Amino acid sequence: GAGVSQSPSNKVTEKGKDVELRCDPISGHTALYWYRQSLGQGLEFLIYFQGNSAPDKSGLPSDRFSAERTGGSVSTLTIQRTQQEDSAVYLCASSPPDRGLNEAFFGQGTRLTVV
Amino acid sequence: AQSVTQLDSHVSVSEGTPVLLRCNYSSSYSPSLFWYVQHPNKGLQLLLKYTSAATLVKGINGFEAEFKKSETSFHLTKPSAHMSDAAEYFCVVTPRSGGYNKLIFGAGTRLAVHP
Repeated sequence: GAGVSQSPSNKVTEKGKDVELRCDPISGHTALYWYRQSLGQGLEFLIYFQGNSAPDKSGLPSDRFSAERTGGSVSTLTIQRTQQEDSAVYLCASSPPDRGLNEAFFGQGTRLTVV
Repeated sequence: AQSVTQLDSHVSVSEGTPVLLRCNYSSSYSPSLFWYVQHPNKGLQLLLKYTSAATLVKGINGFEAEFKKSETSFHLTKPSAHMSDAAEYFCVVTPRSGGYNKLIFGAGTRLAVHP
């Protein structure tokens, strides 16, 4: 596709359920990032992938959060036993090789609501 | 460590008047600096970036920003606001070193443009 694609666009889940959020980066982009944007807040870094490995997971808020990337492409962010404070927009970004973060392209995000 | 402070959470201007969105940064390394814009229900879009070339950077839609190292600032300006400029604007810093640079976002400035 032409851009970073995230699915679903909206997700409503009950407290305590697990959710999976998907990100399809731009083809050929080796770097992939997950961010979280809570209501009225800036973007909070969660995790970074280079290829399939995650050299920086420092932003994951708890062990309920995990992410993986397969084939150097699609990434899944999993939140287990969701809590109301997990409600936010989860944004994925990718960037091409050799550019570091000088050119990051963002998806439209997944709006997660935990009720 | 890197951080960024957007000095105004809300800015309101009249159409046709100048826009000034203020940003100060802190970085242990020579930084790259960006401004991103987020329109309602749309993804983040890169407005402009500073990566060590000219200190006055021109971006899309008539926006520009000037990197001032002595003031650790990267304020965003536009000579004449348009209604379509109403959006959330994020100032972003990343250290310009190494192969991986995490984007650090400011809290955002919401720009309102009224007739």
